[in-house]
Amino acid sequence: SQTIHQWPATLVQPVGSPLSLECTVEGTSNPNLYWYRQAAGRGLQLLFYSVGIGQISSEVPQNLSASRPQDRQFILSSKKLLLSDSGFYLCAWSPGFTTEQFFGPGTRLTVL
Amino acid sequence: QKEVEQNSGPLSVPEGAIASLNCTYSDRVSQSFFWYRQYSGKSPELIMSIYSNGDKEDGRFTAQLNKASQYVSLLIRDSQPSDSATYLCAVNMRSGSARQLTFGSGTQLTVLP
Repeated sequence: SQTIHQWPATLVQPVGSPLSLECTVEGTSNPNLYWYRQAAGRGLQLLFYSVGIGQISSEVPQNLSASRPQDRQFILSSKKLLLSDSGFYLCAWSPGFTTEQFFGPGTRLTVL
Repeated sequence: QKEVEQNSGPLSVPEGAIASLNCTYSDRVSQSFFWYRQYSGKSPELIMSIYSNGDKEDGRFTAQLNKASQYVSLLIRDSQPSDSATYLCAVNMRSGSARQLTFGSGTQLTVLP
């Protein structure tokens, strides 16, 4: 069966510091991978998606970037965090574009 | 107009009642529809998917789809306090050159013991 991991689970970072969040998927190959952000009491905002190694599509221009160095690894980064980057970051995978997505446990980021 | 709209709630029902959650969407050619449950502080969990008009039942959950009306709903029978969560409607819609899941903002459900 497929499993998706995210770490860290929680993170508190000062404004201006860098960020690296990691997501890995087990039990499947060539998945579509997604990064979402959920602000407190808000819906899910799609940040990035990837259909393959090195292929990244950005949905919202912002302070963040993503990379996919391996088939089942997806990384979300920032060089300098802003207060507005606080939120619940979710990684998800799907077998294809028209199918359901499965979410990881998420990383709760607080920028102070 | 939002692409996927849900009543934000909160919706409160007594234990044992039927909870009815509704969702409308704007893309007429959408073919895939999903319901996710999200407990407070946790990630969304897929509970139902539906692709054809009509009803789809899974245990206490029934998803209903009406593509002509661009409407999808989720019924929870014999509601339990453990069903208290936010329910997210997701619709596969065109975004740029690809189709992506677009999520509603969710309906918060509270089942009262």
